[in-house]
Amino acid sequence: DVVMTQTPVSLSVSLGGQVSISCRSSQSLVHNNGNTYLSWYLQKPGQSPQLLIYKVSNRFSGISDRFSGSGSGTDFTLKISRVEPDDLGVYYCGQGTQYPNTFGAGTKLELK
Amino acid sequence: EVQILETGGGLVKPGGSLRLSCATSGFNFNDYFMNWVRQAPGKGLEWVAQIRNKNYNYATYYAESLEGRVTISRDDSKSSVYLQVSSLRAEDTAIYYCTSHFAYWGQGTLVTVSS
Repeated sequence: DVVMTQTPVSLSVSLGGQVSISCRSSQSLVHNNGNTYLSWYLQKPGQSPQLLIYKVSNRFSGISDRFSGSGSGTDFTLKISRVEPDDLGVYYCGQGTQYPNTFGAGTKLELK
Repeated sequence: EVQILETGGGLVKPGGSLRLSCATSGFNFNDYFMNWVRQAPGKGLEWVAQIRNKNYNYATYYAESLEGRVTISRDDSKSSVYLQVSSLRAEDTAIYYCTSHFAYWGQGTLVTVSS
């Protein structure tokens, strides 16, 4: 199975600040078709996860441009700029390149 | 507006079975692979199963930890997907989410396995 390792486990940020979350996979996430199926999700307290970024760097419908994804192969990053209160929660990376699909353990974003 | 509604969760005894249902609307269901993802209390996300669409012959895939105990199915005429889970164990206790290939998610249905 592809193991997804997220760092840090938790992060404290001031409103208006910028943060980065790292996600590393144990194997390359480049699919045979050339696509890289790495996504980022946010789970706010008491809610279901929501898709933020798909295929490394594509923002999902309605997602603010304060969220950006980058990376390739096995090394990926989510950046959040100008952090707002509504951004707080647990962020997960997930891969859909190989079965079983797997997720990172999550990064909790909290207010400083 | 996209709507995804899971039902069928509840309290079940170890060794029991459940059939979870997921009714959807507001997007072209036939175009999507459908997945079930679960989340144990206070834990992270765990992918459970996927069923592809008609173009991919409704191929199914399962997490190894559940293989042999789960069956995913879909009814395109009803824009619905189902998860049959048997031989339930305490460690299957979780919120089970239905998701349209991770783009749209339901609110989940809680399955509690306890005697």
